[in-house]
Amino acid sequence: AQKVTQAQTEISVVEKEDVTLDCVYETRDTTYYLFWYKQPPSGELVFLIRRNSFDEQNEISGRYSWNFQKSTSSFNFTITASQVVDSAVYFCALSEAGYIPTFGRGTSLIVHP
Amino acid sequence: NAGVMQNPRHLVRRRGQEARLRCSPMKGHSHVYWYRQLPEEGLKFMVYLQKENIIDESGMPKERFSAEFPKEGPSILRIQQVVRGDSAAYFCASSGDRLYGYTFGSGTRLTVV
Repeated sequence: AQKVTQAQTEISVVEKEDVTLDCVYETRDTTYYLFWYKQPPSGELVFLIRRNSFDEQNEISGRYSWNFQKSTSSFNFTITASQVVDSAVYFCALSEAGYIPTFGRGTSLIVHP
Repeated sequence: NAGVMQNPRHLVRRRGQEARLRCSPMKGHSHVYWYRQLPEEGLKFMVYLQKENIIDESGMPKERFSAEFPKEGPSILRIQQVVRGDSAAYFCASSGDRLYGYTFGSGTRLTVV
């Protein structure tokens, strides 16, 4: 069975600080996909990244970066130089062999000006 | 290039009424997934449908809830005789292939009064 744990319920930072959101997953499959989604206060879900289990390269997209480590079953998300607009709930999700993703409970990020 | 369209965005129902939530997948997508997000919680999978078929309804409550994805038209999530505990955000996602990223709609926020 697949499981995603986002242990941080809420994180509060001041603008320009770097912040890392943790995601730990459990799966017995060797083929799986990991996702991050952003849910801003307006409520919609915004896709950020999808990563398959065979690609452990870290990814950087602007101020966003993702660190995938199979050895620790983690797929952490770092925002560099955070901004107020980054305030949102962030969800990590796992899909075994491309099947229905399971979501973590989410981490609420509050960035203060 | 319309994304996943959900309507209505907000729906208010009195206890005992029926709620109908609609989801039009992205063009070319034939897989539809419904999720429910209760207040302060993550997204919980409800049902997975392909055209005219329910593939997995393991997350659906056994009573009052039903879903369909007809050959023509949107997918419908129906909740009969709504209760206060049904108040939540209901999200629909679609994909063209299970192996690829899911695209979410903006959600329908159901309030039962």
